[in-house]
Parts: sequence; structure tokens; C-alpha cells
Amino acid sequence: EAGVTQSPTHLIKTRGQQATLRCSPISGHTSVYWYQQALGLGLQFLLWYDEGEERNRGNFPPRFSGRQFPNYSSELNVNALELEDSALYLCASSLEGENTEAFFGQGTRLTVV
Amino acid sequence: QKEVEQDPGPLSVPEGAIVSLNCTYSNSAFQYFMWYRQYSRKGPELLMYTYSSGNKEDGRFTAQVDKSSKYISLFIRDSQPSDSATYLCAMTIGGYSTLTFGKGTMLLVSP
Repeated sequence: EAGVTQSPTHLIKTRGQQATLRCSPISGHTSVYWYQQALGLGLQFLLWYDEGEERNRGNFPPRFSGRQFPNYSSELNVNALELEDSALYLCASSLEGENTEAFFGQGTRLTVV
Repeated sequence: QKEVEQDPGPLSVPEGAIVSLNCTYSNSAFQYFMWYRQYSRKGPELLMYTYSSGNKEDGRFTAQVDKSSKYISLFIRDSQPSDSATYLCAMTIGGYSTLTFGKGTMLLVSP
């Protein structure tokens, strides 16, 4: 069974640009979570989508946004990139709801120069 | 004070050693406690999951939670070079959308 897949693996953007990161959950999983893992800061919760709706949001500015498509895949958009946005962005998925185990993908390494 | 504190290491041990990894936390509302292992350039994978205080054993791994002291531990017996990774503690009041992670401890097991 395929795990959570994320694309691209690496992304280099210039400050002020927009970045789009994609996530395909495990087949049958309807919940998708996005986390940021910045150097020295640890994993921080960004967004939770379930059944196409945003269910919860972490303490990040509005320029971090996303959506979940009918096939449960998800997209994270980061607008007006700042140097501090450089991080590993991890997507995780779980069966319906937030109380079932979430499995992580390998992440997208975003570098802002 | 950060919600979850974890020594970043690195912690270097010889093969076969018993490893002790620890986290302290400040939020007494945390009910669910987890340990993740993250290899370099990989996503975290869930190792252990415990609810409330007590011990839980799974093979060479034992997770321990002391809610009165706000302290959790992961013990690894007979450590192997393949255990070399970063270990992240995580905890939540309820639900994966509110997981709070420690910064992770890097473990190096030498043959």
C-alpha cells in the first residue's frame, strides 16, 4: 500500500514569490494535516483538512493557506514568501477524524532565497 | 517556558546500550503521549502511543508517562546502529490536529 506522497521533494523560491506544495494521502484516508519543521523550532501544526473542509489552523499568518480536493489530496500555498519560511513541510493523513493515527509523508524541503 | 522541552542531543551510545530519552511539559491538560522516530530526510513514524500515566512496552521499546511530574520517557534496550535517528516526543489534549512536538533528540548508536 502506498504511503503519503508529497511533491515536489525540493523547492527553491525567491522571497516574495508563492509556493505550492502537494500531498496525496493514503488511500481511504480523509484527513490531511500539514506541519512545518523549521530548523531549531521543531514540528509545528499548520492546518487540518477533513472531508474537504478546513477543521483547524495553527498559529500561522493568513498567507499560509490550503485546500483539500474531492479525492482528498491537498495543497498548501504559501504566499509572499519570507526567508523564515524555509523549512521541511510535512503532510500526514489519517482515517476520518483527528483521533486516528496519522502517517507522515517524507516532506517537501522549501528553501527561500 | 516552552510547552514541551526535549534535549536536542546528540546522544551517542555504543551498540547494546540502554538508551533513555526524555521530555518535560508544562500543560497539565495533555492526555495522549507519543514518540516518533525520524530518520534523516524522512517523515516521522509513530513508535509508541500512551494514554495517561503508566508504562507501555513494545519489543525493545518502553514508553513511560509520569503525569504528576509532567515527564515522559522512552527507553530503548539493546540499542542497534539502525536506531540512529531523531526521536520526537509529542503530546495532545485530544486529536492529531493539536499535537505539540518536542524539538527532537538525535541518537547515534555506534557499532
